[in-house]
Amino acid sequence: NFMLTQPHSVSESPGKTVTISCTRTSDTIARNYVQWYQQRPGSSPTTVIYEDNQRPAGVPDRFSGSIDSSSNSASLTISGLKTEDEADYYCQSNDGNTVVFGGGTKLTVL
Amino acid sequence: EVQLLESGGGLVHPGGSLRLSCAASGFTFSSHAMSWVRQAPLKGLEWVSAISYSDDYTYYADSVRGRFTISRANSKNTLYLQMNSLRAEDTAVYYCAKAVVGSTYIFDFWGRGALVTVSS
Repeated sequence: NFMLTQPHSVSESPGKTVTISCTRTSDTIARNYVQWYQQRPGSSPTTVIYEDNQRPAGVPDRFSGSIDSSSNSASLTISGLKTEDEADYYCQSNDGNTVVFGGGTKLTVL
Repeated sequence: EVQLLESGGGLVHPGGSLRLSCAASGFTFSSHAMSWVRQAPLKGLEWVSAISYSDDYTYYADSVRGRFTISRANSKNTLYLQMNSLRAEDTAVYYCAKAVVGSTYIFDFWGRGALVTVSS
């Protein structure tokens, strides 16, 4: 089985751009799609990126996803940061019927 | 509007049983695989179980295999999770999650969750 490693926390100022990484520990990141979920305090998760770089309807284009084979990682980039973006962000992928979530990254917008 | 509403959570003693339900609306339930994902207090997300759209296939995390059973009633637009032999480490908020059509593990919508507390 593989793991998805995320930074524990990141912080940035409103209006700036932040990137959260998600590194796959074994096998190629491109093997299976990566999703990103946002979880605001006290709320259930919502999907902000699926299939590496697709945005669900209603998710602003300030959110974008990508994968990088050279670092074997996926990234979530949020531009034009707003205070409402402050949340925990989780990446997720699978290998066959093994589903793995990253440990989560707490984004602070200050 | 897509809605997923979990119910059936509560306090149960170690070794006890509980059945969660997830009522779905706003989409063609029978066309989507569904999963249960849990979150222990102050912890991250952990996938628990999945079921195919047609109820042909079920999948489980190692931590619950043999104790939990996922099922669905497409005629009632409802997903279930039967949890037996519960342990303290099963204490968590349990979310049902809808998968994108054609996938099993790409989740595009989540319910609000049901809290399960296993304690004596």
